[in-house]
Amino acid sequence: GAVVSQHPSRVICKSGTSVKIECRSLDFQATTMFWYRQFPKQSLMLMATSNEGSKATYEQGVEKDKFLINHASLTLSTLTVTSAHPEDSSFYICSATSGADTQYFGPGTRLTVL
Amino acid sequence: SQQGEEDPQALSIQEGENATMNCSYKTSINNLQWYRQNSGRGLVHLILIRSNEREKHSGRLRVTLDTSKKSSSLLITASRAADTASYFCASLKGGSYIPTFGRGTSLIVHP
Repeated sequence: GAVVSQHPSRVICKSGTSVKIECRSLDFQATTMFWYRQFPKQSLMLMATSNEGSKATYEQGVEKDKFLINHASLTLSTLTVTSAHPEDSSFYICSATSGADTQYFGPGTRLTVL
Repeated sequence: SQQGEEDPQALSIQEGENATMNCSYKTSINNLQWYRQNSGRGLVHLILIRSNEREKHSGRLRVTLDTSKKSSSLLITASRAADTASYFCASLKGGSYIPTFGRGTSLIVHP
């Protein structure tokens, strides 16, 4: 199946700093990428949808100035958590699709903000 | 908002037993997919069933879909300890490419 990578897999940062998470589709061109957030023992919460070359569409309640998404190419999307605070600590997962029915998920990034 | 609901939320069985998880959804769908997530990892796609299909098999997995009841089930036969994970259903409405995930079922298979 298609492979999606995320980097870093784990990051610890100080409160007030910004963190960038990369999501790459390794063997296919992703027309659309999704960013999810997952709290312990809970389901995935969709944060935003990004299409290559256009602005991301954010879900209600997600601050676009807080979570900056860039989808510069068909294989790369980045999520930047700006001025991170402890409440931003979470598991962030991206997924990508080439337009088919199935989304392929990255392995996730564990963010811990001290 | 999450429209899928899985039950049970947690399931604990012995190796060799079958595990059945159910998922309900609220609106008409184009397809429904099941994913598996090991602790602290991403999601792995297991199987997709379309709205015009009633049953699908993949190895030890059997998925059913009842559109009249807006529900789906995932059966894992002859479970193994390695099947321990969380299982999520994700429904996709017609005209949309954004799936809606359920809360998931946490499965523990004891060796």
